[in-house]
Amino acid sequence: DAGITQSPRYKITETGRQVTLMCHQTWSHSYMFWYRQDLGHGLRLIYYSAAADITDKGEVPDGYVVSRSKTENFPLTLESATRSQTSVYFCAGTPGRKNTEAFFGQGTRLTVV
Amino acid sequence: AQTVTQSQPEMSVQEAETVTLSCTYDTSESDYYLFWYKQPPSRQMILVIRQEAYKQQNATENRFSVNFQKAAKSFSLKISDSQLGDAAMYFCAYRSGGTGTASKLTFGTGTRLQVTL
Repeated sequence: DAGITQSPRYKITETGRQVTLMCHQTWSHSYMFWYRQDLGHGLRLIYYSAAADITDKGEVPDGYVVSRSKTENFPLTLESATRSQTSVYFCAGTPGRKNTEAFFGQGTRLTVV
Repeated sequence: AQTVTQSQPEMSVQEAETVTLSCTYDTSESDYYLFWYKQPPSRQMILVIRQEAYKQQNATENRFSVNFQKAAKSFSLKISDSQLGDAAMYFCAYRSGGTGTASKLTFGTGTRLQVTL
């Protein structure tokens, strides 16, 4: 148990709809991340957060919004879903210690039709 | 910006044999950390091994070991006595030794490892 819970595990949505992927952690991770995984690209960072109310863009932030009003929650919102956002999304967290690996949730497979 | 390159999209190894997965990275920093993650079909990301850049000694974890060449910016993973359960996607990852926004993980594109009988 890595202390990171994502929901839902699977989601199908239509183009243009707003979708929110949830991420909840119980290990008091300071840092939290959202990645998307696509074939041939590995995992690419969308957004990350160093603490509550502190967020920053990653490599591929366009079309996504995050918030972190509480340390334990880090939802990712697709404001108007597009087919190019069909992907597997991972939430991850890590304590403040620099040498610690990131712990991952189980991932959400999102399909935009 | 840091980059991580895995030049082998797929590798195959026979059961009980040894295989080495390659990873190179580009950075101007001296303080950083390197990781290998395994992703089986279940999609779960599992840490295999980690290496601190300031340590000369190569990390080992049971059948898994790394060859860390700091000057060459190379970080390969060796799997000895390969088992069927080792079949998975393997990702190399880099993390800066800085704090705050520098703490993100940067991943390579992955190597899919097949294990045959």
